[in-house]
Amino acid sequence: EAGVAQSPRYKIIEKRQSVAFWCNPISGHATLYWYQQILGQGPKLLIQFQNNGVVDDSQLPKDRFSAERLKGVDSTLKIQPAKLEDSAVYLCASSLYPGLEQYFGPGTRLTVT
Amino acid sequence: SQQGEEDPQALSIQEGENATMNCSYKTSINNLQWYRQNSGRGLVHLILIRSNEREKHSGRLRVTLDTSKKSSSLLITASRAADTASYFCATAEMNRDDKIIFGKGTRLHILP
Repeated sequence: EAGVAQSPRYKIIEKRQSVAFWCNPISGHATLYWYQQILGQGPKLLIQFQNNGVVDDSQLPKDRFSAERLKGVDSTLKIQPAKLEDSAVYLCASSLYPGLEQYFGPGTRLTVT
Repeated sequence: SQQGEEDPQALSIQEGENATMNCSYKTSINNLQWYRQNSGRGLVHLILIRSNEREKHSGRLRVTLDTSKKSSSLLITASRAADTASYFCATAEMNRDDKIIFGKGTRLHILP
């Protein structure tokens, strides 16, 4: 089966610009996650969707980050405006149900200059 | 917030030796999972152990879980160069919709 797809793989932007990431989860996976991983640290959950509803967005900086999962399949994560500290790898993952093994995409490496 | 804390932070061993890394967590969980991340690559799920299980095996991997001590260990036997990676434990929190929280990871380096 096809894995989790993410694009772009790399993105370089200047601070105060906006950027969007796209994720296509494994077919049939109801749960979708966006993580931020800063170099040398573990992934930090930004937002969790169950179908097209938000289950947890407690660590999402809502003044600049937004995410949506239309039709319960693909998802986009947007940052506007970006700050230097947003430089990180953004990982998308999906699972059949919450709490089960997650399948991760290759990630998007964002550099904010 | 990060629930799991891996120990040690970094580990270097000779190829063929066994590698053991530990994870401690703070709250009640439904399951605990271990993931591997090779340099510059995505995370890969290795094994899931439920809160009512004490030990689980998968190939060269052996995971133990002690819920009374809120700790888990991952043993990799007969290590290989390809095992060089970061290993993360992740806990599915009870009473929080199985929210998954990752630790900071153990960086394992296998020496030739």
